[in-house]
Amino acid sequence: GAVVSQHPSWVICKSGTSVKIECRSLDFQATTMFWYRQFPKQSLMLMATSNEGSKATYEQGVEKDKFLINHASLTLSTLTVTSAHPEDSSFYICSAREGGREETQYFGPGTRLLVL
Amino acid sequence: GQNIDQPTEMTATEGAIVQINCTYQTSGFNGLFWYQQHAGEAPTFLSYNVLDGLEEKGRFSSFLSRSKGYSYLLLKELQMKDSASYLCAVMDSNYQLIWGAGTKLIIKP
Repeated sequence: GAVVSQHPSWVICKSGTSVKIECRSLDFQATTMFWYRQFPKQSLMLMATSNEGSKATYEQGVEKDKFLINHASLTLSTLTVTSAHPEDSSFYICSAREGGREETQYFGPGTRLLVL
Repeated sequence: GQNIDQPTEMTATEGAIVQINCTYQTSGFNGLFWYQQHAGEAPTFLSYNVLDGLEEKGRFSSFLSRSKGYSYLLLKELQMKDSASYLCAVMDSNYQLIWGAGTKLIIKP
């Protein structure tokens, strides 16, 4: 089956630093990638949708200047949390849609971010 | 607005059967998904229904009625490892997933 990887799986950083999370589709071309955030005991919250080669579409309430998304190729999207603060600590999960198959959405294993 | 409803928590006994219901109201419909999520892990795909009826896949089955805006996930021969959250999600007319809050399933011996 389709595989999506995320790196790193765990990151601890100091407040004020920036953190980059990578999301890769390993065996298919992902024309669309999604970034989610999940706080403990809550459901997934979509942060943004990114299409290869174009700007990401952010959900209401998500700051695009704080959560920078780059989808430079059909297999890689990155999320950069800029000037991270403790309230940004969360579980960040990406998913990828295979080109031409809108019903698909394959999830990465997630990245747990802890900002001290 | 768009809305997905599912119970917050359910408890069942090992070896038994449990049915998790999901009702939805969305702008358009391009299929309904069920995902399993263990604590601290990303969701894993269980099923996808786009036509009415029952889809069976081993111990898990998923049912859809589009006219009623209703689905259920049926888990048979429950095992302790089935303890997890089960997420119902509907793909709307823009192919965006609308997520339910998830049902936490607790399996007791």
